[in-house]
Amino acid sequence: EPEVTQTPSHQVTQMGQEVILRCVPISNHLYFYWYRQILGQKVEFLVSFYNNEISEKSEIFDDQFSVERPDGSNFTLKIRSTKLEDSAMYFCASGRDYNEQFFGPGTRLTVL
Amino acid sequence: SQELEQSPQSLIVQEGKNLTINCTSSKTLYGLYWYKQKYGEGLIFLMMLQKGGEEKSHEKITAKLDEKKQQSSLHITASQPSHAGIYLCGADSPRSGGYNKLIFGAGTRLAVHP
Repeated sequence: EPEVTQTPSHQVTQMGQEVILRCVPISNHLYFYWYRQILGQKVEFLVSFYNNEISEKSEIFDDQFSVERPDGSNFTLKIRSTKLEDSAMYFCASGRDYNEQFFGPGTRLTVL
Repeated sequence: SQELEQSPQSLIVQEGKNLTINCTSSKTLYGLYWYKQKYGEGLIFLMMLQKGGEEKSHEKITAKLDEKKQQSSLHITASQPSHAGIYLCGADSPRSGGYNKLIFGAGTRLAVHP
């Protein structure tokens, strides 16, 4: 069964560094999302992406964040200058239509 | 803003017992998703409910949506150790032209003892 995949599984970075989290959505899906989960807290929406543009973003998704679908398969989340509070599990999700969201296994980001 | 409250926060049951987890929304539910999460791992999609009164089943898990009560319940019959994990409900936020920004509850942690 097709799955959403994410790399790396764990990323450790220094505060102020740029990180790129990568996702490969399920191949025929058109809707893409990023969420994050800070340890012990709820899963929070970051951004949704459809038709090569952001369709909605949360207040968390400030100018330090960006998303891109550079080719037909990858979907990336970039954090330009990481802060300690960016440490979290980041989940990518995709769906064929707006009524489904299948999540990847997540990337654990640790900012030191 | 919309809030989802899950109850109970945690649950320990004996293998073979039935159990129910509830998810109550502070606002009208447009769609309700149930996921299972193992600690530190991704969310596994279980089912999605859209219409009031809708009920779906997958193996021994049944979910219902009571739109009037703005509530959904997840029922596991004859629980097994493999059912252990964190169950999350997620709801579509009221449409603002966006595409399914899901809001999640805090989760119900389920342990099943043999």
